[in-house]
Amino acid sequence: GQNIDQPTEMTATEGAIVQINCTYQTSGFNGLFWYQQHAGEAPTFLSYNVLDGLEEKGRFSSFLSRSKGYSYLLLKELQMKDSASYLCAVFDYGGSQGNLIFGKGTKLSVKP
Amino acid sequence: NAGVTQTPKFQVLKTGQSMTLQCAQDMNHEYMSWYRQDPGMGLRLIHYSVGAGITDQGEVPNGYNVSRSTTEDFPLRLLSAAPSQTSVYFCASSYSSPLSGNTIYFGEGSWLTVV
Repeated sequence: GQNIDQPTEMTATEGAIVQINCTYQTSGFNGLFWYQQHAGEAPTFLSYNVLDGLEEKGRFSSFLSRSKGYSYLLLKELQMKDSASYLCAVFDYGGSQGNLIFGKGTKLSVKP
Repeated sequence: NAGVTQTPKFQVLKTGQSMTLQCAQDMNHEYMSWYRQDPGMGLRLIHYSVGAGITDQGEVPNGYNVSRSTTEDFPLRLLSAAPSQTSVYFCASSYSSPLSGNTIYFGEGSWLTVV
């Protein structure tokens, strides 16, 4: 089985930095995804980590520690448009091919 | 740039009715899947397909059927709608299994209400 934990909600100020944590327990591991989802819209891909360490993409960075079952998404220079839910997802080896399993998401509110 | 197209966007059903949510992708992706999203529950996998003619169950398959007769299309059928199936449904596709780190692309969602 698998378990993915993220904080339910977070609040941060425009221009600040925020870190969204994700811990996971899976029967196997083949990488971790982060998705962004604005209210009423589809999730969109942010990042993928399969090796330990930090991956940076502009204002967004994602970190992975496989030994600790831990990842975080770091958002810098927050903008109002970053208000969204952030979904952590890991691959699970159940079924004939396995699948991507999502956490419940962290709703981030950015305030002026 | 159609990507993943879902129809209908909104639907109201009566309990016991059946319906099909359509999903099509024009990216020649082998892997397609259906998720439902409910408040406080996150995205949960209903069914998935790794290629034409192959389907498998996800986490919450009961009450739903799928088929994959072509690479492009992956319809989701509700056999006898129940209020518990009120949800937002997302179809998604990727080049191949996300096992290989392939990005999943989502459709815009279908809001279904069962009364």
